[in-house]
Amino acid sequence: GNSVTQMEGPVTLSEEAFLTINCTYTATGYPSLFWYVQYPGEGLQLLLKATKADDKGSNKGFEATYRKETTSFHLEKGSVQVSDSAVYFCALSPANTGNQFYFGTGTSLTVIP
Amino acid sequence: NAGVTQTPKFRVLKTGQSMTLLCAQDMNHEYMYWYRQDPGMGLRLIHYSVGEGTTAKGEVPDGYNVSRLKKQNFLLGLESAAPSQTSVYFCASRWMNTEAFFGQGTRLTVV
Repeated sequence: GNSVTQMEGPVTLSEEAFLTINCTYTATGYPSLFWYVQYPGEGLQLLLKATKADDKGSNKGFEATYRKETTSFHLEKGSVQVSDSAVYFCALSPANTGNQFYFGTGTSLTVIP
Repeated sequence: NAGVTQTPKFRVLKTGQSMTLLCAQDMNHEYMYWYRQDPGMGLRLIHYSVGEGTTAKGEVPDGYNVSRLKKQNFLLGLESAAPSQTSVYFCASRWMNTEAFFGQGTRLTVV
């Protein structure tokens, strides 16, 4: 079946630290992969996406590379800011059954000054 | 464009009462979804629709009903609310195999 496994939080970092949030997936074929961000009291917003193997999605200093060989889509940022404090969700959309959308459980990030 | 709009944003219900949550999207998306978000459990799919007039059960459908009479609207109904349905509800829509767009959420408390 299809599933997403995300590293558990919460994660607390100091400002300007390096961020990695691990995400691995199980799916047949070549799913599309996404990272969403949820700021307090808000809905989910798309952060970045990748639709095929070796694609790198990037936005607002965040990056993630679609690794087929390790079935991973880890989120990274070189220098986090206090404003990056949020919950981050990894998600996938299977290649052949595009009506479904699978989410990880979310990772809470707090960045302290 | 307004994107995905959920109504209402907040609601308090008494046990046994009924209510309907409305989700409206103006992006002509075929697929629409209802999720609930609970602490420590991420997003769980309640029901979804792949087009006007169609609905399907998700991971946690019990106690909920849905309808998609118009392509742009997806309604989530609670016939007899229970405290276990206290949650934040999110609607999302998407076009085929693209990213999903989310509403701002409805915070529901059942007392």
